[in-house]
Amino acid sequence: EDQVTQSPEALRLQEGESSSLNCSYTVSGLRGLFWYRQDPGKGPEFLFTLYSAGEEKEKERLKATLTKKESFLHITAPKPEDSATYLCAVQEYGNKLVFGAGTILRVKS
Amino acid sequence: DTGVSQNPRHKITKRGQNVTFRCDPISEHNRLYWYRQTLGQGPEFLTYFQNEAQLEKSRLLSDRFSAERPKGSFSTLEIQRTEQGDSAMYLCASSLIATDTQYFGPGTRLTVL
Repeated sequence: EDQVTQSPEALRLQEGESSSLNCSYTVSGLRGLFWYRQDPGKGPEFLFTLYSAGEEKEKERLKATLTKKESFLHITAPKPEDSATYLCAVQEYGNKLVFGAGTILRVKS
Repeated sequence: DTGVSQNPRHKITKRGQNVTFRCDPISEHNRLYWYRQTLGQGPEFLTYFQNEAQLEKSRLLSDRFSAERPKGSFSTLEIQRTEQGDSAMYLCASSLIATDTQYFGPGTRLTVL
């Protein structure tokens, strides 16, 4: 069965303090790895899809990378508005997404 | 592109009552998914449709849950004889077959008293 583990569970940063979130996964065949952002009381907002090891994608202060066993979401010089829960999900041969529990990020000014 | 919409946004019901939620996907998206999310957890897959056909159901989905997508457009999720353990956020997502990137709606928050 697919397993997705995110760490840390929670992360507190000062504004401008760069860091990384981790998503480790075990699947028999990865079709795609997805990152979403979720604000309290709202649905997940799509950020990135990564398909193969070595792939990288960037959007503003966020950069996602993928290896054969894990993905990292790097946050460079974060701002308070980056505060949210970041969810990682894997898609195997079927179409459903299997999500991790998320990392709660708080950025203080 | 107006995004995925869900109604109602909040539902409070008493144990044993039936509830129905509606999801309107992004227009022209042929796949529609239902997920459930409890506090502190990521969304958990329930079922999905390709056009009007229900192609997969989670084995965790009890017989009290039923979903339909009668004309391949909007979908409904019904929960019969609700239990307190059904309290959660119910999320709908849609995608195109070609890209399969799932875009989520705002969710329906269900509270069972």
